[in-house]
Amino acid sequence: GQQVMQIPQYQHVQEGEDFTTYCNSSTTLSNIQWYKQRPGGHPVFLIQLVKSGEVKKQKRLTFQFGEAKKNSSLHITATQTTDVGTYFCAGHDQGGSEKLVFGKGTKLTVNP
Amino acid sequence: KAGVTQTPRYLIKTRGQQVTLSCSPISGHRSVSWYQQTPGQGLQFLFEYFSETQRNKGNFPGRFSGRQFSNSRSEMNVSTLELGDSALYLCASSRQLMNTEAFFGQGTRLTVV
Repeated sequence: GQQVMQIPQYQHVQEGEDFTTYCNSSTTLSNIQWYKQRPGGHPVFLIQLVKSGEVKKQKRLTFQFGEAKKNSSLHITATQTTDVGTYFCAGHDQGGSEKLVFGKGTKLTVNP
Repeated sequence: KAGVTQTPRYLIKTRGQQVTLSCSPISGHRSVSWYQQTPGQGLQFLFEYFSETQRNKGNFPGRFSGRQFSNSRSEMNVSTLELGDSALYLCASSRQLMNTEAFFGQGTRLTVV
């Protein structure tokens, strides 16, 4: 079945450093979504990408969907302590599966 | 508008018992999905309901079941609880089955002792 892998599993950065998490799917995706879960909280939707090669920005966050629609990345510029949390990618298989399959997430900690 | 509501927030059960968790989606959302979250395993898909029909099921044993009512509220049931069922159970609602964002509830923290 479809698998979504994320690396790294953990990332520790100093405040002000950049951060990137990568997401790879075993199958071609119809879309990729990114969620953020703060410690003790629940996942919150950040963005959805649907087009091959699509790039979207939200302030210091840049999201990219690969040309083959099998991989994606989230880049945070100049991290802040408010960026702490676990970032999940999730996607629907282009073959039509309605299941939204999540990666295991990247846990980001930021040292002030 | 009100978000996704899950009840109860916390549960402690004994091994062998059964448990029912409830999820009220955002008004107008017809799709409800359930996930199990444990440390290191991320979000494991349990099942998804749309208009009272189970549309998808994850790789969980038959002890895990669910249903959706005509008002889109959903319940999931776990019978014969095992220690390994201790987890955060998250419910998410969305307008459609695909390509729309999922709104998560706060989750139910289940501890099996």
